[in-house]
Amino acid sequence: SQQGEEDPQALSIQEGENATMNCSYKTSINNLQWYRQNSGRGLVHLILIRSNEREKHSGRLRVTLDTSKKSSSLLITASRAADTASYFCATEGLTGGGNKLTFGTGTQLKVEL
Amino acid sequence: DVKVTQSSRYLVKRTGEKVFLECVQDMDHENMFWYRQDPGLGLRLIYFSYDVKMKEKGDIPEGYSVSREKKERFSLILESASTNQTSMYLCASSLPGDYGYTFGSGTRLTVV
Repeated sequence: SQQGEEDPQALSIQEGENATMNCSYKTSINNLQWYRQNSGRGLVHLILIRSNEREKHSGRLRVTLDTSKKSSSLLITASRAADTASYFCATEGLTGGGNKLTFGTGTQLKVEL
Repeated sequence: DVKVTQSSRYLVKRTGEKVFLECVQDMDHENMFWYRQDPGLGLRLIYFSYDVKMKEKGDIPEGYSVSREKKERFSLILESASTNQTSMYLCASSLPGDYGYTFGSGTRLTVV
């Protein structure tokens, strides 16, 4: 079952602009993570935010988490062409063990020169 | 540089064949995972393992089995390949706790 749903499904912006992607999920979580996938490759971990955290930064990335609304957002500031990729949110639930993640369907970001 | 290595980048198999997908990690991670990725469906968990010889079913285990005889290796087995198992297969590993996954580059399997 899909836990996370990203919005929008696709996003096209100009280089230098900010990109915002949203993720909604259904059940209580231990943490939420964001990953990037370049075309046809494996996923790369970007950032993890715990359920008791509200905001986290890493370089040009800013993630927020609102557990009352069961939603998260990923902001990429001053985007570059190299940021073109698919972005996935993933949630670790409170049950099940083994730190298993449930992934959403992803947002395709295209950054144009 | 830490790595998760999947044995094949592309694989073409015939319907009914037994298929082995191998995954090896060099980070001494306890947790290992197999996902499949299909357009419009995102990543779906097939099986995972949090210790040697331990395995747990994910969301879509039907038609698959796994083996973890050594900590560094997690194998996915398609007992009798079918065309609906054509997909991108992704292996990942992680430490226990609040850590992200390290993914392999994926195996694109086509069953004809």
